[in-house]
Amino acid sequence: DAKTTQPTSMDCAEGRAANLPCNHSTISGNEYVYWYRQIHSQGPQYIIHGLKNNETNEMASLIITEDRKSSTLILPHATLRDTAVYYCIVRPQGAQKLVFGQGTRLTINP
Amino acid sequence: GAGVSQTPSNKVTEKGKYVELRCDPISGHTALYWYRQSLGQGPEFLIYFQGTGAADDSGLPNDRFFAVRPEGSVSTLKIQRTERGDSAVYLCASSAASGGPNNEQFFGPGTRLTVL
Repeated sequence: DAKTTQPTSMDCAEGRAANLPCNHSTISGNEYVYWYRQIHSQGPQYIIHGLKNNETNEMASLIITEDRKSSTLILPHATLRDTAVYYCIVRPQGAQKLVFGQGTRLTINP
Repeated sequence: GAGVSQTPSNKVTEKGKYVELRCDPISGHTALYWYRQSLGQGPEFLIYFQGTGAADDSGLPNDRFFAVRPEGSVSTLKIQRTERGDSAVYLCASSAASGGPNNEQFFGPGTRLTVL
């Protein structure tokens, strides 16, 4: 699986957009980018995934660069409840397991 | 509807004892996964079931760890001769189908295992 690199921690003010970067420079053509988050003392929660097009759902937007070597997860209006560890995962199509890295600890400040 | 449930939520045991951790997946989900999460780390894959069979057990650390899913729904992770290094949160996840990029995994709250 392609390795991902994320900042260890980030802060964001409540109500502002939180932009979480992820580098995956060795990604292969059939590998998808997934984002999960884990709120303290809970199991991980799926947020969004994409292959090469930008994606948006009710939780977030995913922007993937044209060369697919990096991506950004955007939480458009962060709330205190968005404080969590965010994991960027690259997974080949058809693969089952998720390979988690260390993630980014995002803290939303009032 | 109900999500993935795991029991017990906490388990404290002594070194050398045997433990069983249970996972109830979302009804109808054919795929089931076990992960282990040590303090400050991301979850680490252990084993994946498709139906009743273990399709990938490459993450099991050694032969003290074993998991079953006899009827294709509930799964039990079994750890023999527990060691202090087994202390972690054991997470279970399920998904609706295997394969395909859209098979979102739904995680349970985990079982926190402490081996004294």
